[in-house]
Amino acid sequence: GAGVSQSPSNKVTEKGKDVELRCDPISGHTALYWYRQSLGQGLEFLIYFQGNSAPDKSGLPSDRFSAERTGGSVSTLTIQRTQQEDSAVYLCASSSGADQPQHFGDGTRLSIL
Amino acid sequence: EDQVTQSPEALRLQEGESSSLNCSYTVSGLRGLFWYRQDPGKGPEFLFTLYSAGEEKEKERLKATLTKKESFLHITAPKPEDSATYLCAVQPINYQLIWGAGTKLIIKP
Repeated sequence: GAGVSQSPSNKVTEKGKDVELRCDPISGHTALYWYRQSLGQGLEFLIYFQGNSAPDKSGLPSDRFSAERTGGSVSTLTIQRTQQEDSAVYLCASSSGADQPQHFGDGTRLSIL
Repeated sequence: EDQVTQSPEALRLQEGESSSLNCSYTVSGLRGLFWYRQDPGKGPEFLFTLYSAGEEKEKERLKATLTKKESFLHITAPKPEDSATYLCAVQPINYQLIWGAGTKLIIKP
C-alpha cells in the first residue's frame, strides 16, 4: 500500500516568510510524528499526534512552529517568520501505535535564503 | 539523561568484508530499540525492533543483537547496495524515540 507522503519535496523561501509542510500518513495509522534533520545530525523530535490531539509538543523549538492534524489523517507543520536556522529536512512518520515502528516519508527539504 | 551513541561515525569496507556497527545507550526503562537504514535524500527505512536483552533479528546480510547497554548491527559479506547511513533509536518509558547520529557505511566494490 501507499507509504507516508510529504509535500512539497523541496521548498525555498525568503527569511521572514511563512511556510506550510504537509504530511499524509499511512492509512489507518493513528500516531503521527514530525522530526527535523540537519546535515550530519540525528533526528530531532518536534511533535507527536495521537489521533487529532498532540499529547507531546515538547520538541517544538519556538512559538513560530505549530502543527495540526485533522480527521486523524493529514497533518500540517507551519513555520512562521522563517529564519535561516530553520533550514533542514523535515521528516514525518506514522505508526499503528506508540510502541510500533515508525514509517517515514522522504521529507521536505526547506531552505531559507 | 537518556542518550544514544553510535560508532563509528563512518565505516568504509571492501565488498565481502564483514563488520559490526555499535549503538550504545542509557535510558530509563527500555521499551524497544529500533534500527533504520537511510539512503541520501530519503527518509529512514525501518529494519528491526529489539525488545529484550539477548534478542536477535536477521534480514538478508544484516543481524541485530541487543544487550542491556548496547546493540550491534552485524553486516555479513556486504555488497555495494548496503551502503547507507544506519540509524539506531531507543524508546524509553515515555515512548518518544531518542536517536543516534548514525553510522555512514560505504561498501566499495
